[in-house]
Amino acid sequence: RKEVEQDPGPFNVPEGATVAFNCTYSNSASQSFFWYRQDCRKEPKLLMSVYSSGNEDGRFTAQLNRASQYISLLIRDSKLSDSATYLCVVNRGTGFQKLVFGTGTRLLVSP
Amino acid sequence: GAVVSQHPSWVICKSGTSVKIECRSLDFQATTMFWYRQFPKQSLMLMATSNEGSKATYEQGVEKDKFLINHASLTLSTLTVTSAHPEDSSFYICSARTTENTEAFFGQGTRLTVV
Repeated sequence: RKEVEQDPGPFNVPEGATVAFNCTYSNSASQSFFWYRQDCRKEPKLLMSVYSSGNEDGRFTAQLNRASQYISLLIRDSKLSDSATYLCVVNRGTGFQKLVFGTGTRLLVSP
Repeated sequence: GAVVSQHPSWVICKSGTSVKIECRSLDFQATTMFWYRQFPKQSLMLMATSNEGSKATYEQGVEKDKFLINHASLTLSTLTVTSAHPEDSSFYICSARTTENTEAFFGQGTRLTVV
């Protein structure tokens, strides 16, 4: 079983739609959680950290359920520019020490 | 965010030769640098962690004699793929950070093709 599992997609949605991605992780000792965005053939970029209380940044909302070892990302009012691969990332320790990446979920937003 | 520059962005080499990839932090001092590898349709996999002035710590299954990592200064780390084989063809990407709880920024990645 992979340490971080994501549905690879692709998720094809029209502009303006709301889309949600899920991720599960297997290591219950994981301390920190993140969503990264990776454009085709580019480096990953931190989208947002994920906190137990949930957090929101504009159109993006992230949730963490430690009991179920489950992380989610919600994107509201999708834009064409949101098309990318979204990586669920878990840290085995604290901070950014040892990041474990999921394979990513691909999102395609169409006009 | 901070800038991490990786060079070259792509390289083609012959089987049996060695390739060096550079990772530089341009506007901060990187006490720790990480090297990852990503095969097509797979996740980024951590290869090794290097702290400036120390030997790198390699992940299980990564050959330290094949993937030589040098982190001699606070702004530069290098990864040398020695005696490259076609199965080493991959996307290699570095990331760098200052302290343990600060964000690690990624370089642009190097696409290595061994023919």
